[in-house]
Amino acid sequence: DGGITQSPKYLFRKEGQNVTLSCEQNLNHDAMYWYRQDPGQGLRLIYYSQIVNDFQKGDIAEGYSVSREKKESFPLTVTSAQKNPTAFYLCASSIIWTDRSEQYFGPGTRLTVT
Amino acid sequence: GNSVTQMEGPVTLSEEAFLTINCTYTATGYPSLFWYVQYPGEGLQLLLKATKADDKGSNKGFEATYRKETTSFHLEKGSVQVSDSAVYFCALEGSNYKLTFGKGTLLTVNP
Repeated sequence: DGGITQSPKYLFRKEGQNVTLSCEQNLNHDAMYWYRQDPGQGLRLIYYSQIVNDFQKGDIAEGYSVSREKKESFPLTVTSAQKNPTAFYLCASSIIWTDRSEQYFGPGTRLTVT
Repeated sequence: GNSVTQMEGPVTLSEEAFLTINCTYTATGYPSLFWYVQYPGEGLQLLLKATKADDKGSNKGFEATYRKETTSFHLEKGSVQVSDSAVYFCALEGSNYKLTFGKGTLLTVNP
């Protein structure tokens, strides 16, 4: 089955530690995205990538970093510089360069930092 | 910049009631419009979409029509079920295929 996997589903970390969230897709999509979801705030774009070895900042990139070494993978690192890292993180992917573009989402990772 | 405004919830309905969730947008050009649904503890699923003015997206009994003159994309369903209980997000696609989301509307359907 094609889809997007995110692991783990729940993640707990101590303040001051960096943590990396995994996102893998086997849909052969060119573009991948990371969103943060907080209660009552909808989804906000952190980073996105349209091709391997290239990525752009979204609306709330501060305190986060990403890499795109393979088409299938787009890991997100939440660094200790992120002031409020506790949130639900969603990864998505899409085909682009077409009017049929639509984003498919993974199941999410809930990160709790204490 | 782009923005999406959707009605604040929560919305609570009885089974078989009519549903409307309002969504209006601000954008340059003619963006594609989407409704996504999120069930508890899960990611988002695309519910329906429309890519140009007067298009009607539909899926699972839900419908929404792209109204350029009122910059709206209201979600409707004639008869809701308990299984429709979820959070619904309106979104538009701007430049570089980026999505801008509304804040979401929680729908609870009681039997």
